[in-house]
Amino acid sequence: SAVISQKPSRDICQRGTSLTIQCQVDSQVTMMFWYRQQPGQSLTLIATANQGSEATYESGFVIDKFPISRPNLTFSTLTVSNMSPEDSSIYLCSVEPDANTGELFFGEGSRLTVL
Amino acid sequence: QKEVEQNSGPLSVPEGAIASLNCTYSDRGSQSFFWYRQYSGKSPELIMFIYSNGDKEDGRFTAQLNKASQYVSLLIRDSQPSDSATYLCAVSGGYQKVTFGTGTKLQVIP
Repeated sequence: SAVISQKPSRDICQRGTSLTIQCQVDSQVTMMFWYRQQPGQSLTLIATANQGSEATYESGFVIDKFPISRPNLTFSTLTVSNMSPEDSSIYLCSVEPDANTGELFFGEGSRLTVL
Repeated sequence: QKEVEQNSGPLSVPEGAIASLNCTYSDRGSQSFFWYRQYSGKSPELIMFIYSNGDKEDGRFTAQLNKASQYVSLLIRDSQPSDSATYLCAVSGGYQKVTFGTGTKLQVIP
């Protein structure tokens, strides 16, 4: 298992601004994942963050909109840039402590509301 | 497009009954299957995983997998009000990303 700290837990943002979400894990992990969960929807993978390389983005998500940093094996950030109301969502950080098992552990999430 | 399908519910069962949650998936190459529980306002929590055809039991929970039918289910015996949550089915193909279903909302009525 893993203990994941994510912040902010929630925020209200103005249209056109950017917000950075931080994710800290209590152990070293190879890959960290960023998911989005829109109201009433399931989880959609935004990107996979590997330490020392560029993040890998899923279809429909681009680096300019969701830049990701992964400076070490326990920390990552996701920035939501130039926000619009459509970006209002819960953003979740996730890790896979046992690589390639698919067994994911999630942070508590960051609930963003864009006005 | 790899898909994981679940009935959104809500599925209502009386306390003490068996809750049966079902999931189908489209990718025949899928190898790993998961059930996550998500309480309202909380993040998903892994409760069961299964890799082989058949049943896997853990306490009151039983996961069932039928790869030929591309079907996964979760049985919750002796359902409790604390089991009321949304249950997400998730599927992975080994090195591939985990794909989540939309979830089934379970309500256990006292």
